[in-house]
Amino acid sequence: ETGVTQSPTHLIKTRGQQVTLRCSSQSGHNTVSWYQQALGQGPQFIFQYYREEENGRGNFPPRFSGLQFPNYSSELNVNALELDDSALYLCASSLTGGPQHFGDGTRLSIL
Amino acid sequence: GIQVEQSPPDLILQEGANSTLRCNFSDSVNNLQWFHQNPWGQLINLFYIPSGTKQNGRLSATTVATERYSLLYISSSQTTDSGVYFCAVRRDDFNKFYFGSGTKLNVKP
Repeated sequence: ETGVTQSPTHLIKTRGQQVTLRCSSQSGHNTVSWYQQALGQGPQFIFQYYREEENGRGNFPPRFSGLQFPNYSSELNVNALELDDSALYLCASSLTGGPQHFGDGTRLSIL
Repeated sequence: GIQVEQSPPDLILQEGANSTLRCNFSDSVNNLQWFHQNPWGQLINLFYIPSGTKQNGRLSATTVATERYSLLYISSSQTTDSGVYFCAVRRDDFNKFYFGSGTKLNVKP
């Protein structure tokens, strides 16, 4: 059974740029969620995808967007990067109603 | 939203000691998980426990859903138990997960 995998592991960008982070769900899982974790804080829910549609969103602006593909993999896109976007971005997959399983995350640094 | 409070915020233990971590939440939930985040940032599933009691080796957890709290017990702590422990809850299957701010555990040899 393959777990949740995220790429890349580290990324450095400058303010104003755009970034795409990728996540492959655990085999058999149909729901993907994305989280942002700033240093010293708990993860903050960005949004969740089920059947290729967003079905839940946290308090993040529209420049945070996502996609889920037919194979349940997912992308997180962030436009017009700001310094405060520097964080660990975590992807979690689950079967509807079941426990979430997290990937190892992508560390994004904005200069 | 649901408020999730974890206590204590910081905990220092000598290797071999036992500890209890607490998670209080402000609303009914149908999903509660405990995670351990290691120093490398990896979030490891410990328990999926919306109610009842579960045990896994030296760790056990109890959730009393009617009183809106969950407890994580760590017995005979080891240095590898160090890290941050998070509780996360969700109201229903299509809603956001709410994380607490975590308990930072440091187990000294």
